[in-house]
Amino acid sequence: GALVYQYPRRTICKSGTSMRMECQAVGFQATSVAWYRQSPQKTFELIALSTVNSAIKYEQNFTQEKFPISHPNLSFSSMTVLNAYLEDRGLYLCGASMGQSNERLFFGHGTKLSVL
Amino acid sequence: GDSVTQTEGLVTLTEGLPVMLNCTYQTIYSNPFLFWYVQHLNESPRLLLKSFTDNKRTEHQGFHATLHKSSSSFHLQKSSAQLSDSALYYCALSIDTNAYKVIFGKGTHLHVLP
Repeated sequence: GALVYQYPRRTICKSGTSMRMECQAVGFQATSVAWYRQSPQKTFELIALSTVNSAIKYEQNFTQEKFPISHPNLSFSSMTVLNAYLEDRGLYLCGASMGQSNERLFFGHGTKLSVL
Repeated sequence: GDSVTQTEGLVTLTEGLPVMLNCTYQTIYSNPFLFWYVQHLNESPRLLLKSFTDNKRTEHQGFHATLHKSSSSFHLQKSSAQLSDSALYYCALSIDTNAYKVIFGKGTHLHVLP
């Protein structure tokens, strides 16, 4: 079956430092990968949508300079949170699909980021 | 812009009673795809239902929903709630046919009491 492995599951970083999270798709071709952030008590905010062989589209309030994303092939994507601060706390989820809008998103387990 | 509205933040009901979680959406796209995702405590969201066909009932695991484009609604229903149904439920909208993008509602926490 189709699975998405996301790691690390939890991470703690000092304020001003950076951390990288990765997603691995198994059992299907992850043509599109969407990265979301679920801040405490909030819903999922789309950070950016990455499609292989296309430019990465960042949503308003999120930038490549802050959240650089790599999507080099159909099974792997990574995102880095640069210079993390308290407002960057939350659960970061990657959701992968085969790229058509009627396809379900397969989510990783999420990376819970705490910032000290 | 495109959005999803879930009016209830918390729904509390007793086991055995019917469930209805509201979802309405807004989009200029004429053929949206609607989804319900469920997120149990300490787990990632998983797909519960999806639909893109107007006025057609979709069912899975006892839950059902019908997309009504006339009212831009996709309410989630179940005839009899179970304790294990307690979770966060997110209604979501897909609008981009070229590159997959999903917009989530704020979520409704369903709390089923014994």
